[in-house]
Amino acid sequence: RKEVEQDPGPFNVPEGATVAFNCTYSNSASQSFFWYRQDCRKEPKLLMSVYSSGNEDGRFTAQLNRASQYISLLIRDSKLSDSATYLCVVNRGDSNYQLIWGAGTKLIIKP
Amino acid sequence: NAGVTQTPKFRILKIGQSMTLQCTQDMNHNYMYWYRQDPGMGLKLIYYSVGAGITDKGEVPNGYNVSRSTTEDFPLRLELAAPSQTSVYFCASSYVVPGNEQFFGPGTRLTVL
Repeated sequence: RKEVEQDPGPFNVPEGATVAFNCTYSNSASQSFFWYRQDCRKEPKLLMSVYSSGNEDGRFTAQLNRASQYISLLIRDSKLSDSATYLCVVNRGDSNYQLIWGAGTKLIIKP
Repeated sequence: NAGVTQTPKFRILKIGQSMTLQCTQDMNHNYMYWYRQDPGMGLKLIYYSVGAGITDKGEVPNGYNVSRSTTEDFPLRLELAAPSQTSVYFCASSYVVPGNEQFFGPGTRLTVL
């Protein structure tokens, strides 16, 4: 089992729709969780951290389910500019310095 | 602030050649990282540094070396390049532990033929 697993997609979604991604992680000792966004041939950029209580930033909502070891990202009212690959990132349970990166979920927003 | 800068942007190496990928950050971050990203795969940590003079191996360190003589610079050295090292290399930095945001450079696309 991969340490961090994501559905690679692509998710083809019409503009204005709501889309959700899940990500599962294998190490129950992991404490830090993130969603990063990566545009084609560009560097990753932090979209949002994921907190135990869940958190929202505008159209984006992230949730953490420790019991089932997954995190989710919900995007409401999707925009063309949301087209990107979304990377799920988790810290290694035995290290604060090392992050484990999922391979990403590709999202394509269609007009 | 330029953030994290990397040079070169692109490079083609022949098998057995060596090169250094440069990384500089101007945010006074203590922590710096080198990753590689292969097509369709997640980023893999090669080496990291928690401060000047301190480096440690990540997940995939074989074939690479690093040094951290200053807070700003964290070069990655490839010795005896192999086709398996064809990848995109990203340098990143963060202020504290990875609980904080990692800032990435634009990447170096390396091909080994």
